[in-house]
Amino acid sequence: DAKTTQPPSMDCAEGRAANLPCNHSTISGNEYVYWYRQIHSQGPQYIIHGLKNNETNEMASLIITEDRKSSTLILPHATLRDTAVYYCIVRVVLSQKVTFGTGTKLQVIP
Amino acid sequence: GAVVSQHPSWVICKSGTSVKIECRSLDFQATTMFWYRQFPKQSLMLMATSNEGSKATYEQGVEKDKFLINHASLTLSTLTVTSAHPEDSSFYICSAEQAQTNTDTQYFGPGTRLTVL
Repeated sequence: DAKTTQPPSMDCAEGRAANLPCNHSTISGNEYVYWYRQIHSQGPQYIIHGLKNNETNEMASLIITEDRKSSTLILPHATLRDTAVYYCIVRVVLSQKVTFGTGTKLQVIP
Repeated sequence: GAVVSQHPSWVICKSGTSVKIECRSLDFQATTMFWYRQFPKQSLMLMATSNEGSKATYEQGVEKDKFLINHASLTLSTLTVTSAHPEDSSFYICSAEQAQTNTDTQYFGPGTRLTVL
């Protein structure tokens, strides 16, 4: 699975959009981009995933660049409960392994 | 949907004893389950991949005789930490894979905090 690079930490004001970047410049054509988050002392929570098209669900939007070398997770209206470590993962379709990097620690500020 | 539970949520045991952790997929069948370990302020580290009805595949450096994994059904996998020692104290997290059209998504349990005295 390809390696990802994320900033170690970010702050976001409550109510504003949180934009979390992820670089995956070595991504292969059959690899999906997945995003998870982990709130302190809990198991990771699935957020969203995509291949090449932008995706949106009730939690977030995922924007993938045309060359697929980077992506951005957007939380449209961050709340204090969104404070967590966010992991960007790229994974071969139907691959069994998920490899976690160090993620981005998002702090939502009142 | 796609809920994974773990039991117990936390456990304290004496050094030398064995501890069993259960992982259940509550509303879907999972042919594959995964076990991770997470030390404080670190990321999740994959320990092993468990397929229903077959032997688990362990990651390099993980002792298979110490961390016994059983995946007896499509909704249950267990991790037994045998002869636990203080260095085994960690946050153990399981995940179960739900097959979807052309992609697979892993859903994680809430984790089990193990403290070995």
